[in-house]
Amino acid sequence: GENVEQHPSTLSVQEGDSAVIKCTYSDSASNYFPWYKQELGKRPQLIIDIRSNVGEKKDQRIAVTLNKTAKHFSLHITETQPEDSAVYFCAAGTSSNTGKLIFGQGTTLQVKP
Amino acid sequence: ETGVTQTPRHLVMGMTNKKSLKCEQHLGHNAMYWYKQSAKKPLELMFVYSLEERVENNSVPSRFSPECPNSSHLFLHLHTLQPEDSALYLCASSQDKTGAEETQYFGPGTRLLVL
Repeated sequence: GENVEQHPSTLSVQEGDSAVIKCTYSDSASNYFPWYKQELGKRPQLIIDIRSNVGEKKDQRIAVTLNKTAKHFSLHITETQPEDSAVYFCAAGTSSNTGKLIFGQGTTLQVKP
Repeated sequence: ETGVTQTPRHLVMGMTNKKSLKCEQHLGHNAMYWYKQSAKKPLELMFVYSLEERVENNSVPSRFSPECPNSSHLFLHLHTLQPEDSALYLCASSQDKTGAEETQYFGPGTRLLVL
């Protein structure tokens, strides 16, 4: 079945360093890849997304890259800050599969001051 | 933060109880979703409703029964649950039904504990 693998499961970085989270997906028809951030005790919130017609997208300190051939996409956070500490989820969706996002297992990011 | 609301925020119930979770979205969206979030597991899609019609039922046990009376409200009726059903239940909504390319906005969740 459809599957999204996310790595690492935990990531600890020093404030100011960069963090990279990687996901691979199995359904080659997937064409929408959002990233959600979930702070402790709060709801998941979309931080960035990318569609299959684009290879890279950037929004201030966060960027996402997509390699459709290899079926993987990555989240890059530069100049990390303590408030970036949260669980990050990647997901893959397919326009032909109504509403169904397949989520990765999540990465717990800890940014140490 | 008030676009999608859920009540109650916390619920403790016995295995013989019947309870309902409520979700309301104030975003004018046409699609609504129920997800289950358990520790150490990915978000699991349970149900998708589009324009009040169920379009996805992700092999969820019948002890979970959804209801969508209109495009702004979504319920999850619970009966004879098991302890392994304890989890955070998240509601989400999106603008349109035309595939998984729409941003989904999540509610704060209901933390359910089944004793």
